Amino acid sequence: EDQVTQSPEALRLQEGESSSLNCSYTVSGLRGLFWYRQDPGKGPEFLFTLYSAGEEKEKERLKATLTKKESFLHITAPKPEDSATYLCAVSNRANDYKLSFGAGTTVTVRA
Amino acid sequence: EPEVTQTPSHQVTQMGQEVILRCVPISNHLYFYWYRQILGQKVEFLVSFYNNEISEKSEIFDDQFSVERPDGSNFTLKIRSTKLEDSAMYFCASSENGFGYTFGSGTRLTVV
Repeated sequence: EDQVTQSPEALRLQEGESSSLNCSYTVSGLRGLFWYRQDPGKGPEFLFTLYSAGEEKEKERLKATLTKKESFLHITAPKPEDSATYLCAVSNRANDYKLSFGAGTTVTVRA
Repeated sequence: EPEVTQTPSHQVTQMGQEVILRCVPISNHLYFYWYRQILGQKVEFLVSFYNNEISEKSEIFDDQFSVERPDGSNFTLKIRSTKLEDSAMYFCASSENGFGYTFGSGTRLTVV
């Protein structure tokens, strides 16, 4: 069974204080690793897909990286509007594109 | 930007009643999904739907649940005889090619 573990559970940052979120995964055949952002009471919002170790993707203050065992989401100089829960999910080649999610990291950025 | 639309945003139902949750996926998408998130827990896969049939379902998706694409634009999730433990946020998602899903804003189902 695919396993996704995210750490830390919660992260409180001062505006401008860069940090990283971790996603450790176990999957028999990785099709893709996904990062989503979720605001309270809303659906997950797609951020990135990573397919192979060594791959990196960036969007504004966010940068996602992937190794064979884990992924990191780096938040550079965060702003209060970056406050959200960040979800990591994996898709297994053996499954029909379903996603297995981690529990998420809730990031709070104080002005 | 294209959106996945879900209705209603909040549904309260009596235990044992049937509910239908509705979704309008993005128009050119071919893959459709339902996920749920119990308060404070992970987002969980329920079912995937492609080419007018279920392509995969989880252990949660038992005989109590069914999905339908009745008219080529809507995608529905029916829960027969709801239980208290069915209370959750239900998310519909669609994808053009199986990757990079777009999720809807969800329906909060409360069973009392």
